Amino acid sequence: SQTIHQWPATLVQPVGSPLSLECTVEGTSNPNLYWYRQAAGRGLQLLFYSVGIGQISSEVPQNLSASRPQDRQFILSSKKLLLSDSGFYLCAWSVLGTGVSGELFFGEGSRLTVL
Amino acid sequence: KNEVEQSPQNLTAQEGEFITINCSYSVGISALHWLQQHPGGGIVSLFMLSSGKKKHGRLIATINIQEKHSSLHITASHPRDSAVYICAANQFYFGTGTSLTVIP
Repeated sequence: SQTIHQWPATLVQPVGSPLSLECTVEGTSNPNLYWYRQAAGRGLQLLFYSVGIGQISSEVPQNLSASRPQDRQFILSSKKLLLSDSGFYLCAWSVLGTGVSGELFFGEGSRLTVL
Repeated sequence: KNEVEQSPQNLTAQEGEFITINCSYSVGISALHWLQQHPGGGIVSLFMLSSGKKKHGRLIATINIQEKHSSLHITASHPRDSAVYICAANQFYFGTGTSLTVIP
């Protein structure tokens, strides 16, 4: 069966520090991968999605970047965190080829607090 | 104006009640998603639909493409249904969620 893991689950970082969140999917090949952010009191916002290794689409200009070094690995990074980067970050995957119709499978989430 | 609007924002029900959560969207869609977010933050996909109606246990989701409207119904609600329910158009536009509390 397919599983998705992301870590760390919780982190508190000072403003200006770097960030790295990792997500891996097991039990499937060539998944579509997504990073979402959920700010307090707001809906989910799509940050990045990827349909293959090295292929990253950014939906919102921001202080963050994403990379997909391996087929089932998706990394969210920042060189210098801002206060506004605080939030709940979720990684998700869907079956390749399903486009925007694919069912989403979410990781457990990473709660980031920037102080 | 948000591309996806949900109502109500908050809902409290007695155990056993029939519950309806509404979702309206303004964009063209290939699929409408209903998600459930538990207090710990984890999100589970409940339904993905592009037409008609789907049923899973006590949950029913319907969609009217012409009116750009979808509803999520919970029959015989139970305290374990307490969660935030989120509607999404395709995988890009999300509502802010409906927080449901079911009281025993």
